[in-house]
Amino acid sequence: DVKVTQSSRYLVKRTGEKVFLECVQDMDHENMFWYRQDPGLGLRLIYFSYDVKMKEKGDIPEGYSVSREKKERFSLILESASTNQTSMYLCASSSYMNTEAFFGQGTRLTVV
Amino acid sequence: KQEVTQIPAALSVPEGENLVLNCSFTDSAIYNLQWFRQDPGKGLTSLLLIQSSQREQTSGRLNASLDKSSGRSTLYIAASQPGDSATYLCAVMRDTDKLIFGTGTRLQVFP
Repeated sequence: DVKVTQSSRYLVKRTGEKVFLECVQDMDHENMFWYRQDPGLGLRLIYFSYDVKMKEKGDIPEGYSVSREKKERFSLILESASTNQTSMYLCASSSYMNTEAFFGQGTRLTVV
Repeated sequence: KQEVTQIPAALSVPEGENLVLNCSFTDSAIYNLQWFRQDPGKGLTSLLLIQSSQREQTSGRLNASLDKSSGRSTLYIAASQPGDSATYLCAVMRDTDKLIFGTGTRLQVFP
């Protein structure tokens, strides 16, 4: 079974902190994604990566950056956390050939 | 700009009913369409993937159809069970593998 694992289920951080959310997949997928999910707004794409060290902005990249140094790992970085970044963050991966997307269990981030 | 709409937003049915969830999209130039299930506070579980060249996919009690020309997909759940209670999301893939999601249908199946 494909497994996408996010490092934390719940996080509480203070305003202004630098926050790292980690995601690891075990199926050698080329594509990896970070979404955030908010009530009434659905899932919105923050960043995605289609190869090691490659990244592209999604629909809402402001206030975020990403890192992909190894194929299996994709990190989302909140440079200076703000309360409006309180949300559920979801990581996903897919392959070029099959394109079926698989998601992690989500990280509920609260910024106080 | 691609927009994905799911109707109804919420649905409550007695156990055993067959039901249909609807998904519509505005741009028919999609690469594929995927249905997901999400339990409260959890991540998304992939249910079915339909490639743009396919008309339907089946997995157990689930059947998903795709009509690209009309911009519609339906998810059919046969003989619903309380364990089917969850939010169901459809997503269309445009080029570069990015998914665009609908806002979901929240399903409750009561005994």
